[in-house]
Amino acid sequence: NAGVTQTPKFQVLKTGQSMTLQCAQDMNHEYMSWYRQDPGMGLRLIHYSVGAGITDQGEVPNGYNVSRSTTEDFPLRLLSAAPSQTSVYFCASSSPDFAGRVNEQFFGPGTRLTVL
Amino acid sequence: TQLLEQSPQFLSIQEGENLTVYCNSSSVFSSLQWYRQEPGEGPVLLVTVVTGGEVKKLKRLTFQFGDARKDSSLHITAAQPGDTGLYLCAGAYGGTSYGKLTFGQGTILTVHP
Repeated sequence: NAGVTQTPKFQVLKTGQSMTLQCAQDMNHEYMSWYRQDPGMGLRLIHYSVGAGITDQGEVPNGYNVSRSTTEDFPLRLLSAAPSQTSVYFCASSSPDFAGRVNEQFFGPGTRLTVL
Repeated sequence: TQLLEQSPQFLSIQEGENLTVYCNSSSVFSSLQWYRQEPGEGPVLLVTVVTGGEVKKLKRLTFQFGDARKDSSLHITAAQPGDTGLYLCAGAYGGTSYGKLTFGQGTILTVHP
């Protein structure tokens, strides 16, 4: 199993450009999430999904879109990149425990994005 | 939005010393997880605690969940340079928050030989 894969690993954008960060998992996990990590701020949840066709906003959703058409894939779209979106982005997947809570999250290697 | 306060933000200690990292919230967690992250990689789960008052040990690491399930701590005994990294706590809340975790700000631990 490859686990959680993310592409690209590095990306540089100009302000106003759009792009899609790809995330795929081969563990048949129901839950998938996107986080951004900035110095001193831990991981902040952008969007998450509890199953194919179901998505919801996290703590910092503005400027980002997601969709979940399959269990395996959960792409993150930046609509019009801004310097404030310079960050490291992590995708994660997990299965719920018996009570529906998030179980162990498996993280991808991250995408380091710079917006000029 | 639930807030999860983690402290301290930075710890720099000598090999052999003990340390404790704290994670606090004003809300009740349904479960709490601790992760460790190496530079250039994603976080990796260390432990999950679910029951109030629960204590779990992982070699020299001891994790405790508060009785009221609003706080947790990570204690490392006789720290080693290999313990260096970013430690993150993450809380799951009940109700309509199922399916997502809230992370603390993280603690950067440096253990000097």
